[in-house]
Amino acid sequence: AQSVAQPEDQVNVAEGNPLTVKCTYSVSGNPYLFWYVQYPNRGLQFLLKYITGDNLVKGSYGFEAEFNKSQTSFHLKKPSALVSDSALYFCAVRDFFSGGYNKLIFGAGTRLAVHP
Amino acid sequence: DVKVTQSSRYLVKRTGEKVFLECVQDMDHENMFWYRQDPGLGLRLIYFSYDVKMKEKGDIPEGYSVSREKKERFSLILESASTNQTSMYLCASRREGNQPQHFGDGTRLSIL
Repeated sequence: AQSVAQPEDQVNVAEGNPLTVKCTYSVSGNPYLFWYVQYPNRGLQFLLKYITGDNLVKGSYGFEAEFNKSQTSFHLKKPSALVSDSALYFCAVRDFFSGGYNKLIFGAGTRLAVHP
Repeated sequence: DVKVTQSSRYLVKRTGEKVFLECVQDMDHENMFWYRQDPGLGLRLIYFSYDVKMKEKGDIPEGYSVSREKKERFSLILESASTNQTSMYLCASRREGNQPQHFGDGTRLSIL
């Protein structure tokens, strides 16, 4: 079965420093991977996705993610963190229903806290 | 911009009540989803609909049902609410294929 793991419950970083939020996956076949962000009292917002192509994917708000097939990882990165980046981040991987329709399996989430 | 609207932000109901959560999307998306979000568990899929009147069970369908009579509207029904259904419920929609899902702001449901 497909699965995704976010090994850190919380990541703390100082404003202006680079940030990394980790995600590893387990899939059969080619992985389709997504990152979402959730601000307080809001739904999830799409940040970026990897389907195929370049291993470095650029997304919204200056975020990027690096796909590493050998390490089965898809870590989210940003060169310089902002206090406003503080939120809950979810990694997700595509899975299939019977009938060929696809759904997402989400990790447990990582809370990012950026300190001034 | 895609807009997914959930009818209530906060809802308090009693054990045994029948509860309806409503979700409407304005982008003619084929696929719609209902999740519940609990701390430490991430999002878990309850039901998915790929077309009008069509549905698929997700990972945790027990105690829930859904209705999709019109393309833009997807309703989640708690047949007889129980305290363990206290949670944040999120609705999402997506165009067919590998497009990203677009989420509503959620309904925080408390069952007393």
